[in-house]
Amino acid sequence: GEDVEQSLFLSVREGDSSVINCTYTDSSSTYLYWYKQEPGAGLQLLTYIFSNMDMKQDQRLTVLLNKKDKHLSLRIADTQTGDSAIYFCAEISILTGGGNKLTFGTGTQLKVEL
Amino acid sequence: EAQVTQNPRYLITVTGKKLTVTCSQNMNHEYMSWYRQDPGLGLRQIYYSMNVEVTDKGDVPEGYKVSRKEKRNFPLILESPSPNQTSLYFCASRGPREDTEAFFGQGTRLTVV
Repeated sequence: GEDVEQSLFLSVREGDSSVINCTYTDSSSTYLYWYKQEPGAGLQLLTYIFSNMDMKQDQRLTVLLNKKDKHLSLRIADTQTGDSAIYFCAEISILTGGGNKLTFGTGTQLKVEL
Repeated sequence: EAQVTQNPRYLITVTGKKLTVTCSQNMNHEYMSWYRQDPGLGLRQIYYSMNVEVTDKGDVPEGYKVSRKEKRNFPLILESPSPNQTSLYFCASRGPREDTEAFFGQGTRLTVV
């Protein structure tokens, strides 16, 4: 199938903003997600956005959605060393036979430097 | 506590020796999936299941088998492991709605020599 694309690495300084970008594939996706993976752990849900929204803010996190370009971004304000992790975007696709499928992107490794 | 439990966490095996990685969830979720994580390739789905006795191939199913005899368990079977199956494996479960969170196990790091 087609890939959900992300850049592999991002390095920022502590206190700066981080912006992680994602290009997804299914224009009919109803929900788009951001998951965080800390070292040695599984993924955990960070936030999600419904497809009829352009933006969602949750404390230091801002999600922007451009449906026309199938582009999703995650902005982390005042980035901290604890934000160092791999960030995955994900999309939900409806299956023709019923049900739905969650597809993850390639992941972006965020490194926060002092 | 809501949990997805995978075992083992680490496994080193030899080519051709059958192995099973177990996965169990305690949330009564209908959907369960297996993923493998490889550098630069992200998380790729191996198999998924939408309910008991219902399994489907994901994006990279070759060399793997699964079964879903009970709702809580979804084992991943490698009948004849090969070195290209060396990877980090994750099991996940979630409800059927599109807006539900997926819960992940801690991962199984498999090395096939």
